[in-house]
Amino acid sequence: DGGITQSPKYLFRKEGQNVTLSCEQNLNHDAMYWYRQDPGQGLRLIYYSQIVNDFQKGDIAEGYSVSREKKESFPLTVTSAQKNPTAFYLCASSIGDRVGGYTFGSGTRLTVV
Amino acid sequence: GNSVTQMEGPVTLSEEAFLTINCTYTATGYPSLFWYVQYPGEGLQLLLKATKADDKGSNKGFEATYRKETTSFHLEKGSVQVSDSAVYFCALILSGGSYIPTFGRGTSLIVHP
Repeated sequence: DGGITQSPKYLFRKEGQNVTLSCEQNLNHDAMYWYRQDPGQGLRLIYYSQIVNDFQKGDIAEGYSVSREKKESFPLTVTSAQKNPTAFYLCASSIGDRVGGYTFGSGTRLTVV
Repeated sequence: GNSVTQMEGPVTLSEEAFLTINCTYTATGYPSLFWYVQYPGEGLQLLLKATKADDKGSNKGFEATYRKETTSFHLEKGSVQVSDSAVYFCALILSGGSYIPTFGRGTSLIVHP
């Protein structure tokens, strides 16, 4: 079955380190997205990509970076410049239209120790 | 701008009670409307959708009707179960542009036996 795989499920990072969260999809979706979710909060868009080798900043891109070298993959790097990185990170994909909706991964919980 | 407003949670119900979670929207255009569900520690799953006025989306006993005149898309279920305990997100996507959803802040539902 097609879907989105995020790894790892849990990630611990020391302050000052960069970490990369993996997101892979086999749905043949053109568009992919990264969201951040904090306890009791809604979803905040970090970055999105609508086509390979192109991506756009979302609402809270500072301290994060992404790449889109393959259609299937959209990794997110949380850099040391991100002041408060502890959060639940969700990756999603879509065919990029008005009616298709999103498919979400199961998330990565990042904790800074 | 576009926005989605959901009722504040948590909504606490007894098993077999009737559920309504209110969702209203503001949009500069003609959106598609969605409900997503997030179980603890997981990503979001598409629950149901409606793409034009008066459409009714339904899935797993949940229903929502696209009401253009009241700009609403309220989620209902006739008899909730403990397993329905989750956070529910209302969202809209407009035609044209980037097709990035606008999400509500989510409404937590707690169902007691």
